[in-house]
Amino acid sequence: ETGVTQTPRHLVMGMTNKKSLKCEQHLGHNAMYWYKQSAKKPLELMFVYNFKEQTENNSVPSRFSPECPNSSHLFLHLHTLQPEDSALYLCASSQDGGPEDTQYFGPGTRLTVL
Amino acid sequence: GNSVTQMEGPVTLSEEAFLTINCTYTATGYPSLFWYVQYPGEGLQLLLKATKADDKGSNKGFEATYRKETTSFHLEKGSVQVSDSAVYFCALLYSSASKIIFGSGTRLSIRP
Repeated sequence: ETGVTQTPRHLVMGMTNKKSLKCEQHLGHNAMYWYKQSAKKPLELMFVYNFKEQTENNSVPSRFSPECPNSSHLFLHLHTLQPEDSALYLCASSQDGGPEDTQYFGPGTRLTVL
Repeated sequence: GNSVTQMEGPVTLSEEAFLTINCTYTATGYPSLFWYVQYPGEGLQLLLKATKADDKGSNKGFEATYRKETTSFHLEKGSVQVSDSAVYFCALLYSSASKIIFGSGTRLSIRP
């Protein structure tokens, strides 16, 4: 596979469930990102990892917990979510997180919280 | 602060029509500017970019020129196709950080 992949593509969960989203990039990049895309709102950056270290947490609630075990993989652990957390969650990667970088996106995970 | 404003959709055009999607920005310094496209069921793809004033980005028949004097980066295409139906996002990346700021997106629908 090439590019940025995300699994699952669709997820339905209850408010008491614990689930994880997975992102994998096959581009040799060192920076990875989680975004939230809600209807009729701009994309919201959630987290940035650069060389496996978290460099940005955009005031995200603690019910979202990221994990970056290596430069190729990024997880978003979910627990006790709210219905308003339903959205498309997009993962992206870039070469090294620098200002000239282009970010490459995965297809997203469509999350529905019941 | 830094922000991106793009025209609200949906925009509906007939095939072969001329397309303009307006985008203006507010930023300190000299950001890089981008257009991303999101086809149904897919993630965002970079369509084109420009990194300095008067640069023109182009790809797949789409063009956008970085206009510093009007702080704009309007997307244009001379003759649209049904396959161009998608959501288009204008974005800026300011040089002091790696954080991209996106506009709210414009949905484009092309009728055969």
